Amino acid sequence: EAQVTQNPRYLITVTGKKLTVTCSQNMNHEYMSWYRQDPGLGLRQIYYSMNVEVTDKGDVPEGYKVSRKEKRNFPLILESPSPNQTSLYFCASSLKSGGLRTKNIQYFGAGTRLSVL
Amino acid sequence: AQSVTQLGSHVSVSEGALVLLRCNYSSSVPPYLFWYVQYPNQGLQLLLKYTTGATLVKGINGFEAEFKKSETSFHLTKPSAHMSDAAEYFCAVSIDTDKLIFGTGTRLQVFP
Repeated sequence: EAQVTQNPRYLITVTGKKLTVTCSQNMNHEYMSWYRQDPGLGLRQIYYSMNVEVTDKGDVPEGYKVSRKEKRNFPLILESPSPNQTSLYFCASSLKSGGLRTKNIQYFGAGTRLSVL
Repeated sequence: AQSVTQLGSHVSVSEGALVLLRCNYSSSVPPYLFWYVQYPNQGLQLLLKYTTGATLVKGINGFEAEFKKSETSFHLTKPSAHMSDAAEYFCAVSIDTDKLIFGTGTRLQVFP
């Protein structure tokens, strides 16, 4: 079954304690992306990756890191979490468009709800 | 700047009534447009998309949307709401490479 798997689904942590949210896809997609979802703000892109070892900042990258060492995995790292990073996080993947605009469907994980105390 | 505006953060309808969720976009180039749905405690999944061709697009679960270039709109409709349609709906636009720009979402409530 084609899927994007995120772990953990729920996480409560304290300020400053490093954490990693894992994301894995089994569709051989080149493009992967992390979003955060906040009430009234919709989904905002944190980081994205066009392929292995190729990552770039999205719209709200401050306080986050990512890596793409393998095609299937795209972990999100919070080196020193702060309360303003309390949010619902989604990983997504798609085929790469190869040009301007994409008509490709993005496939989303089930989400990770993070609370930073 | 490119953007997506969803009018109405909450929409309530009775079961069997028409569903209309509004989406307007701003783009300097012809956009590709998407509607995604998020059911409780789940990730987003594609309802439908418009790229080129026929401006009336049919999606899953009886939803459809019409691309109107003159109005820069891509409103989502369903003739008869069902209780299972209760969810949050996101309009999104693709203008530049693989990036999607999402609207702020509309939560649909369906009353019996």
